Amino acid sequence: AQKITQTQPGMFVQEKEAVTLDCTYDTSDPSYGLFWYKQPSSGEMIFLIYQGSYDQQNATEGRYSLNFQKARKSANLVISASQLGDSAMYFCAMREGPTEFYFGSGTKLNVKP
Amino acid sequence: EPEVTQTPSHQVTQMGQEVILRCVPISNHLYFYWYRQILGQKVEFLVSFYNNEISEKSEIFDDQFSVERPDGSNFTLKIRSTKLEDSAMYFCASRLDRTNTEAFFGQGTRLTVV
Repeated sequence: AQKITQTQPGMFVQEKEAVTLDCTYDTSDPSYGLFWYKQPSSGEMIFLIYQGSYDQQNATEGRYSLNFQKARKSANLVISASQLGDSAMYFCAMREGPTEFYFGSGTKLNVKP
Repeated sequence: EPEVTQTPSHQVTQMGQEVILRCVPISNHLYFYWYRQILGQKVEFLVSFYNNEISEKSEIFDDQFSVERPDGSNFTLKIRSTKLEDSAMYFCASRLDRTNTEAFFGQGTRLTVV
């Protein structure tokens, strides 16, 4: 089974609108971490936001927020007030145990002016 | 701000040659990783390294690959006898400790095997 599933290969959003990128995960480990990374066309991986499995509140970082629904095993990324510079690939990832991360297949976000 | 540094940014090599990709993790970090991303595809885990030994490795990380931390600062990925399908972006990442802290990624090395 896939550890991380991102069902939206591509998304479009109008500039200044909010957009939600979906991510579901699969783990039986009670302790895990969920991450979102942005990969612009230049290729680097930029950390955006983190949510721990025991965190009670949804994580927020500026315009990014993570809608963490533990029972549904979902960790959707919400970007408010989209900007043209938000156009990129977005990867959801999970750390399970002390070592490796599992990445989803990514969602390509295009922000339209 | 501390960052993970990878060199070179782009490496072109002939099929069958050996390449070494270099990474300098953040200095007080304890866990180190290599990932690869074939163009347009998902990021794939290769190997994790802790306390001077491999912690976990994926199916991709076969005998063709090896990792080393030769001098306490560099973290290298060696690919022996490169194949065309090894062409990819290779990312190094480091993490501070065992708790759920984020992994910081380098900017990647684009390997092209011709």
